[in-house]
Amino acid sequence: AQSVTQLDSQVPVFEEAPVELRCNYSSSVSVYLFWYVQYPNQGLQLLLKYLSGSTLVKGINGFEAEFNKSQTSFHLRKPSVHISDTAEYFCAVSDFGAAGNKLTFGGGTRVLVKP
Amino acid sequence: EPEVTQTPSHQVTQMGQEVILRCVPISNHLYFYWYRQILGQKVEFLVSFYNNEISEKSEIFDDQFSVERPDGSNFTLKIRSTKLEDSAMYFCASSDSLGEQYFGPGTRLTVT
Repeated sequence: AQSVTQLDSQVPVFEEAPVELRCNYSSSVSVYLFWYVQYPNQGLQLLLKYLSGSTLVKGINGFEAEFNKSQTSFHLRKPSVHISDTAEYFCAVSDFGAAGNKLTFGGGTRVLVKP
Repeated sequence: EPEVTQTPSHQVTQMGQEVILRCVPISNHLYFYWYRQILGQKVEFLVSFYNNEISEKSEIFDDQFSVERPDGSNFTLKIRSTKLEDSAMYFCASSDSLGEQYFGPGTRLTVT
């Protein structure tokens, strides 16, 4: 069985400061990894994904994440946040190479960007 | 850009009533999913659907739930007799063979 742990439930950060959201997973098989963002009262939008290849993945809105297989982590970073980055961020995994497999989500990290 | 759509955006129903939540997946996708998010909690997998049958379902997806693809475009989730604890945001998603899932905007179900 897979599980995803997001270590921080809330992260307050000042505008233009960097932010890192931590994600660790456990799985008995290789996985695909995803970060989704949920803005207030909206659905889930894919920020970035790791399927294979380079372990540093760049996504939309200036976000990037690094896959670390030995530490089973997929931390999300942004060097300089904007007020508009205030949202909830979800890390998720699915089984590698298996289309149609469920996503297992972490508990989410709420980012509040302060002016 | 193609997107997943869901209707209605908000559904209010009384306990014990049947509800049908509707989704239109991206047209060339073959895999379909339902997830739910109870207020303040994580997103939970309910069911996946491929080739006109359920591929996988979670413990949440009991006999009160069913899914259907009644035509070439719609994908529905039916709850036969709603309970208060079914109140949640329900997300539909679809994917192609690469497995990246695209989510709809969700239907907020309120059971009173």
